[in-house]
Amino acid sequence: DAGVIQSPRHEVTEMGQEVTLRCKPISGHNSLFWYRQTMMRGLELLIYFNNNVPIDDSGMPEDRFSAKMPNASFSTLKIQPSEPRDSAVYFCASTLEGVNYGYTFGSGTRLTVV
Amino acid sequence: TQLLEQSPQFLSIQEGENLTVYCNSSSVFSSLQWYRQEPGEGPVLLVTVVTGGEVKKLKRLTFQFGDARKDSSLHITAAQPGDTGLYLCAGAPSNNDMRFGAGTRLTVKP
Repeated sequence: DAGVIQSPRHEVTEMGQEVTLRCKPISGHNSLFWYRQTMMRGLELLIYFNNNVPIDDSGMPEDRFSAKMPNASFSTLKIQPSEPRDSAVYFCASTLEGVNYGYTFGSGTRLTVV
Repeated sequence: TQLLEQSPQFLSIQEGENLTVYCNSSSVFSSLQWYRQEPGEGPVLLVTVVTGGEVKKLKRLTFQFGDARKDSSLHITAAQPGDTGLYLCAGAPSNNDMRFGAGTRLTVKP
């Protein structure tokens, strides 16, 4: 298994531009999570999906952030418009329902907004 | 305020030393997990502890879940430079959304 695949690995964009981060979860996993990691705040849960349905998006910072999961093998996190304070590493993780299975994380997307 | 408080925040030791890092909460968890994260990569699951008082061993790493299921510890024996990384504990306060502590950043010097 190739694991959780995220793209791009690095993204540098100008303030105000739209940014789209992509994630392919592990085949057979039915829960998908988007996290953001910064030195100041650590790993923060942004949103999670169960069977492609958004369950809890209370961690999404504001309306500039949106996430979709059109099918079981693909999810996107979009920021529009982006701001410098959005700079962080964004991780996608997937698991089989039931937290005791543990999460498998992708390698992350390092986003820099200048 | 973090749901899970980890201590110490930073730890720098010499190769061969032993160490313990802690994960504490005022909440009860059905399970806690420990992850290790290396620079440029995502966290990798080390262990899941489920039963209060449970002790799990993974080579030189020993994980313990508190009797009240509110805290956990990770003990490393004879640390090696390859143990260097960010150690994160995680627990789910509700059904399926794992929350992470801020982590302990461990450096093991050769």
